[in-house]
Amino acid sequence: SQKIEQNSEALNIQEGKTATLTCNYTNYSPAYLQWYRQDPGRGPVFLLLIRENEKEKRKERLKVTFDTTLKQSLFHITASQPADSATYLCVHGSGNTGKLIFGQGTTLQVKP
Amino acid sequence: DGGITQSPKYLFRKEGQNVTLSCEQNLNHDAMYWYRQDPGQGLRLIYYSQIVNDFQKGDIAEGYSVSREKKESFPLTVTSAQKNPTAFYLCASTRRGAYNEQFFGPGTRLTVL
Repeated sequence: SQKIEQNSEALNIQEGKTATLTCNYTNYSPAYLQWYRQDPGRGPVFLLLIRENEKEKRKERLKVTFDTTLKQSLFHITASQPADSATYLCVHGSGNTGKLIFGQGTTLQVKP
Repeated sequence: DGGITQSPKYLFRKEGQNVTLSCEQNLNHDAMYWYRQDPGQGLRLIYYSQIVNDFQKGDIAEGYSVSREKKESFPLTVTSAQKNPTAFYLCASTRRGAYNEQFFGPGTRLTVL
């Protein structure tokens, strides 16, 4: 079955460093991946979408890459800030129904 | 101010009772979704609807029911048949088709006593 895997261990980094989160997928080739941010007790918020024919996408301090050979997407936050602390969800869209398949998320903690 | 709302934020239910969670959006989105989130797990799809008066089961529909009588509303009923209903429930909406971001509500935390 289609599966998205994210590192379940929390990522702790120092303010100002670059945070890199990994998303791996198996048993399928997604047409696109989305990344969402979720704060505790709140709904996810969309950040970026990258299509399979795009190698890289940027938005302000965020960068997403998509490697279809490795079946992997990397999510980078440069010059990280304590306010970036949250759980980040890697998500794949299935077909034209708008159905999304969610990874379990990776929690990022940025220490001042 | 466009958005998606869910109510109530916290809900307590006794075993054996049905309970209905509200979800409303004023974004004029055709598609709406219900997810369940358990600690340490990703969101799992319960039901979704792409147009009014039509909806499909997601991956974990057993013990749940929905209706879509109006475009802006997609209530979820958690029935007594749901064996483990305590969870965080999230509603989302989006424009129809692929590649569109989903907009999520603030969630309802349901606790069965």
